[in-house]
Amino acid sequence: NAGVTQTPKFQVLKTGQSMTLQCAQDMNHEYMSWYRQDPGMGLRLIHYSVGAGITDQGEVPNGYNVSRSTTEDFPLRLLSAAPSQTSVYFCASSYPGTSEQYFGPGTRLTVT
Amino acid sequence: KNEVEQSPQNLTAQEGEFITINCSYSVGISALHWLQQHPGGGIVSLFMLSSGKKKHGRLIATINIQEKHSSLHITASHPRDSAVYICAVMGGATNKLIFGTGTLLAVQP
Repeated sequence: NAGVTQTPKFQVLKTGQSMTLQCAQDMNHEYMSWYRQDPGMGLRLIHYSVGAGITDQGEVPNGYNVSRSTTEDFPLRLLSAAPSQTSVYFCASSYPGTSEQYFGPGTRLTVT
Repeated sequence: KNEVEQSPQNLTAQEGEFITINCSYSVGISALHWLQQHPGGGIVSLFMLSSGKKKHGRLIATINIQEKHSSLHITASHPRDSAVYICAVMGGATNKLIFGTGTLLAVQP
């Protein structure tokens, strides 16, 4: 199993550009989530999904969209990038309930 | 006040020392996770606890549900243990995690 994969690993955007961060998992996990990690702060939940076709907002959803058309994929879209979205983004997946979390390798995004 | 507090924020140890990292939380939880993040690296799950104690190699994690407290212990620490250790709690009936800010551990040879 590849586990949780994320692409790209690094990205530089200009303010106002849009892009999609890709996340995929091959473990048939129902639960997938996106987090951002900023210096001095714990990881914060952006959006999550409890299954294909179902998504919901987390703690910091503004400026981001998600969709879950398949169990495997959970892309995160930045609609109009802002410098405040400079961060490291992690995708994670798990089975429902109390279950081990599997994290992707992260995407380091810089918005200038 | 953060719902998940870790201490210390930074810890420097000499190789071979016994290390303890603490995590306190203020919400009801269904499980607590300890995660490890190496510099520039991804995040790896070390333990998931809902009660008692778990051991894996030189790592031991304990949780006291009544006191809302968990500890991560590293015995015979080694420079390769240098990383950020993150405590995260899972509340209620969802898989949502609330994270602490992490403890940066440096083990010197």
